[in-house]
Amino acid sequence: QLQLQESGPGLVRPSGTLSLTCAISNSSIGSGNWWSWVRQPPGKGLEWIGDIFHTGSTNYNPSLNGRVVLSVDKSKNQFSLNLTSLTAADTAVYFCARRRVQRKIPCMDVWGQGTMVTVSS
Amino acid sequence: DIQMTQSPSSLSASVGDRVTITCRASQSIRNYLNWYQQKLGKAPKLLIYAASTVQSGVPSRFSGSGSGTDFTLTISSLQPEDFATYYCQQSYGVWWTFGQGTKVEIK
Repeated sequence: QLQLQESGPGLVRPSGTLSLTCAISNSSIGSGNWWSWVRQPPGKGLEWIGDIFHTGSTNYNPSLNGRVVLSVDKSKNQFSLNLTSLTAADTAVYFCARRRVQRKIPCMDVWGQGTMVTVSS
Repeated sequence: DIQMTQSPSSLSASVGDRVTITCRASQSIRNYLNWYQQKLGKAPKLLIYAASTVQSGVPSRFSGSGSGTDFTLTISSLQPEDFATYYCQQSYGVWWTFGQGTKVEIK
């Protein structure tokens, strides 16, 4: 069954760039699904960051003001998130997920376990 | 963007209680509404999609209803493993939004 695993640095500096990767197991990134990122600040709710198709097509949350770029690496069967101009407000658990269409409705049906990222000097 | 408002923000209930959580969208989202359960320190889990379809493997005590702007998640008989935070999420727009969450606690 499909498994997703996030990886990346646990601590990043303010004004720096965060790079995270989501490795896909037991499925192909080109399987026809979109792939999503969601984050959750400590003690707060969920925020959708964006999603990407294997062709490179993307959708982004406009509240991130153009700071986010998603990409795919078909050779490694993984997708990535880059978030620039970091502030303490970007401190969060970052989740990757599969976006799937069921009964014509998109939803996120498989999630990674999440990775905690702290922005601090 | 489409705002999602859940109520209540938290509730206390006992095992066996019937629990209802509501979610309201700032504009019509037809049935593009999903519900997730999140336990402490864990990833969200999809419970309901398309407003009323129970995800495979989810117990039948969970149900969803609604369309347009008003939606409901119901747990018919609360079990110990159901104590968690529940989120609604719209997938109608290009960018998706979640409700603020409803924390279900033990009375």
